[in-house]
Amino acid sequence: DTEVTQTPKHLVMGMTNKKSLKCEQHMGHRAMYWYKQKAKKPPELMFVYSYEKLSINESVPSRFSPECPNSSLLNLHLHALQPEDSALYLCASSQQERQGASPRNTIYFGEGSWLTVV
Amino acid sequence: DQQVKQNSPSLSVQEGRISILNCDYTNSMFDYFLWYKKYPAEGPTFLISISSIKDKNEDGRFTVFLNKSAKHLSLHIVPSQPGDSAVYFCAASGQGANNLFFGTGTRLTVIP
Repeated sequence: DTEVTQTPKHLVMGMTNKKSLKCEQHMGHRAMYWYKQKAKKPPELMFVYSYEKLSINESVPSRFSPECPNSSLLNLHLHALQPEDSALYLCASSQQERQGASPRNTIYFGEGSWLTVV
Repeated sequence: DQQVKQNSPSLSVQEGRISILNCDYTNSMFDYFLWYKKYPAEGPTFLISISSIKDKNEDGRFTVFLNKSAKHLSLHIVPSQPGDSAVYFCAASGQGANNLFFGTGTRLTVIP
C-alpha cells in the first residue's frame, strides 16, 4: 500500500477548465515531486519541492502550476490544458534530512491521477 | 538521450522459474539504482535498490546485481509467481541529484 495519496484518481476536463490535482503524504518526507507518465513511456519529472520550496521546474508549461501548502501536501493546478496533456500524473515523495541536503534517492510514488483533456 | 535503457520490452516466464530483467546505463556518475514495479492504472511501487558500493542486494525472492564496469544491472525474481506480472522499470540517480532517470520498462508475464 502506498503512503502517498492522490486525488482524484480520474479527471476529465475541457480545455478551458481550471482543475487541481492533490497529493498528500504522512511519511515526514520533505521532498515532493510531480511526474507525468504517458502510455508505454517512463515517468518524466515535472517539479520538485524541497522543504516546501520549488527547487526544480523541468521547463514545464505555465498551464501547470504547482503549489506546496505545507510539508504534507502538494497540489498541481491545471488551466487551459491541451489534449496532449492527457496522461497519468504521479505524485511522489522522498526523505530529506535538512534543507539544502540532497533528498534520499528512494522515491515513493502515489497511485496517480489519470487526466483526460477533451 | 536515454541514459537508462531496458532493451527488452517484454518477457514471458513460466511460474516457478527465474525471471531476469536487464538494464543498462550510460552515465558513470550514477551511483544508486532502483527497480520499480508497476501494475496498470497504478503508480510505480518501489521494489529494491542497490548502491554502487555493492554488487548484489537481496530481498526475499528479489535480487539485484550490479556490474559497474559493464554499466549493467539486473533483477532476478526466483521463483516467479503470476502476481509478479507487471511492468518493471529500472531507475538510476547520481549523488546530489533529486531526480531519477527511468528506463522504458519491461513487461513481465508469468504464465501459470
